[in-house]
Amino acid sequence: SQKIEQNSEALNIQEGKTATLTCNYTNYSPAYLQWYRQDPGRGPVFLLLIRENEKEKRKERLKVTFDTTLKQSLFHITASQPADSATYLCALVPNQAGTALIFGKGTTLSVSS
Amino acid sequence: DSGVTQTPKHLITATGQRVTLRCSPRSGDLSVYWYQQSLDQGLQFLIQYYNGEERAKGNILERFSAQQFPDLHSELNLSSLELGDSALYFCASSPGLAGGAQYFGPGTRLLVL
Repeated sequence: SQKIEQNSEALNIQEGKTATLTCNYTNYSPAYLQWYRQDPGRGPVFLLLIRENEKEKRKERLKVTFDTTLKQSLFHITASQPADSATYLCALVPNQAGTALIFGKGTTLSVSS
Repeated sequence: DSGVTQTPKHLITATGQRVTLRCSPRSGDLSVYWYQQSLDQGLQFLIQYYNGEERAKGNILERFSAQQFPDLHSELNLSSLELGDSALYFCASSPGLAGGAQYFGPGTRLLVL
């Protein structure tokens, strides 16, 4: 069956450390993968998109990697801050012809000062 | 502020009733997507419209329907409501048919009593 799996448990880290979140997928052939941030009761906010032919993408303190062989994406936040505390969602379009995003259930990150 | 607006913010209704949720996409965006988010299911794609036409369908119940109007705003109609329909409903928009970031509205919180 098709699945998108993210760390189900919350991730707790100290301010200044690097947070690494994992997204694994099964039985999809995505052309690209996206990461969103969601705060409680609010709509998801787009962060980064990485295409299948890109290994790594960076934006300020954020870095995403995409390994189509392992069927995995890693999302890193360096020099984390308490304001980074939120739920982070991984999303993909199931195949080359698809248009709709399928979301993982998200990983909740908590950064303590 | 994503530029996507949704009304109403909150809706409380009874089982068996019908409600309409409204979404205005960002200026210039032609695609509108509807998602349902409940605690146990995560963010679930319901349906996509592109420039007035239905383009993709997810696990949308037959009791639910949507449309996109010539001015590109969209409405999601939920009928014969059940307790299990209580959830956050998000609308998102994007410029094209596929391949890019989606911009989410603030959501409508529906409570069916």
